[in-house]
Amino acid sequence: EPEVTQTPSHQVTQMGQEVILRCVPISNHLYFYWYRQILGQKVEFLVSFYNNEISEKSEIFDDQFSVERPDGSNFTLKIRSTKLEDSAMYFCASSGLTSYNEQFFGPGTRLTVL
Amino acid sequence: SQQGEEDPQALSIQEGENATMNCSYKTSINNLQWYRQNSGRGLVHLILIRSNEREKHSGRLRVTLDTSKKSSSLLITASRAADTASYFCATAPSGNTPLVFGKGTRLSVIA
Repeated sequence: EPEVTQTPSHQVTQMGQEVILRCVPISNHLYFYWYRQILGQKVEFLVSFYNNEISEKSEIFDDQFSVERPDGSNFTLKIRSTKLEDSAMYFCASSGLTSYNEQFFGPGTRLTVL
Repeated sequence: SQQGEEDPQALSIQEGENATMNCSYKTSINNLQWYRQNSGRGLVHLILIRSNEREKHSGRLRVTLDTSKKSSSLLITASRAADTASYFCATAPSGNTPLVFGKGTRLSVIA
């Protein structure tokens, strides 16, 4: 069964460093999303991406964040200069071209900023 | 903004019993989805119910949706220890839009 994959599973970085989180969405899906979950809190939407551009973003997704689909399979989230409060689990999700967006999530990348 | 809010926050039951979790939201939706998350792991999609549906089944799962009350429930029948996880509802105002998640219900099934 097709699934969303994410790498790395765990990333530890120093405050101020740049990190890139990688995702491979399900191959025939067209909508891609990043969400995050701070430990013990809700899953929060960051950004959605369709047709090679951002379709929607939350107020969390400030200038420190960017997304890219560098080739036909990968979808990346870059945090330019990490802060302590960026420590969270980051989930990638994808959905197909239907009226009802059943979103399938990857296993997540746990980002720890020291 | 709309929110899915689950209730109860935590539920502890014996294996074999049924577990019911509720979700309320505030604005109109296109669909509502339920997810399971084992501790520290990813989100597993369980079921999607459309705004024009009232009930849906998948194996031991039964989901209801009452759009007049802006609420949904997830029933897990004949629970097993492996059902121990957090369960989240997530709502979408329209197709292919970001999901808004609730805080989740932590279910513990005791063998």
